[in-house]
Amino acid sequence: DAGVTQSPTHLIKTRGQQVTLRCSPKSGHDTVSWYQQALGQGPQFIFQYYEEEERQRGNFPDRFSGHQFPNYSSELNVNALLLGDSALYLCASSPEGQGSYGYTFGSGTRLTVV
Amino acid sequence: QQQVKQSPQSLIVQKGGISIINCAYENTAFDYFPWYQQFPGKGPALLIAIRPDVSEKKEGRFTISFNKSAKQFSLHIMDSQPGDSATYFCAAFSGSARQLTFGSGTQLTVLP
Repeated sequence: DAGVTQSPTHLIKTRGQQVTLRCSPKSGHDTVSWYQQALGQGPQFIFQYYEEEERQRGNFPDRFSGHQFPNYSSELNVNALLLGDSALYLCASSPEGQGSYGYTFGSGTRLTVV
Repeated sequence: QQQVKQSPQSLIVQKGGISIINCAYENTAFDYFPWYQQFPGKGPALLIAIRPDVSEKKEGRFTISFNKSAKQFSLHIMDSQPGDSATYFCAAFSGSARQLTFGSGTQLTVLP
């Protein structure tokens, strides 16, 4: 049973560029949440997608946007990259209604902005 | 604005010892308190969790103690093993906000 799959695993981008990160949720999960984890810090909630719509958003600027597809997979887009966007980006999937009980995290995408 | 405060930042324990990590929260709307274990290069994995109407929960060598009035909770790892060496995060879940708020993490090292 495949868990949450994220791609790519590592990425290096230049300041000002745009990046797209991808997430395939665990089988049977229909809700996808994205978190940013800076080095040495705990993950911070970016947003959550359910039924192809952004349902909840954390304290992140509009440069961060996302999308959820009919097969429940999701993308995180970051525009106008800043050095401070360098972090591990985590995707977590869950079945609707189980809250964080059913959260399964992927291994993340390590983004480095130079 | 940090809503979940975690200490210590790092912890070194001898094999067989007890590891204790503490967390405090501010938002009374939190309704579920999980602990996550994270190894390098991996995402966080759920270790154990507790609801605020329970004062203690034990699963194997791991125990959560919860003090609702003080808005504090802690993780105890009994008989700590070198394989327990990892970063531990406390977290709080708000069902209404549908999000986890994490502490800043504790890097645990268990010496053989």
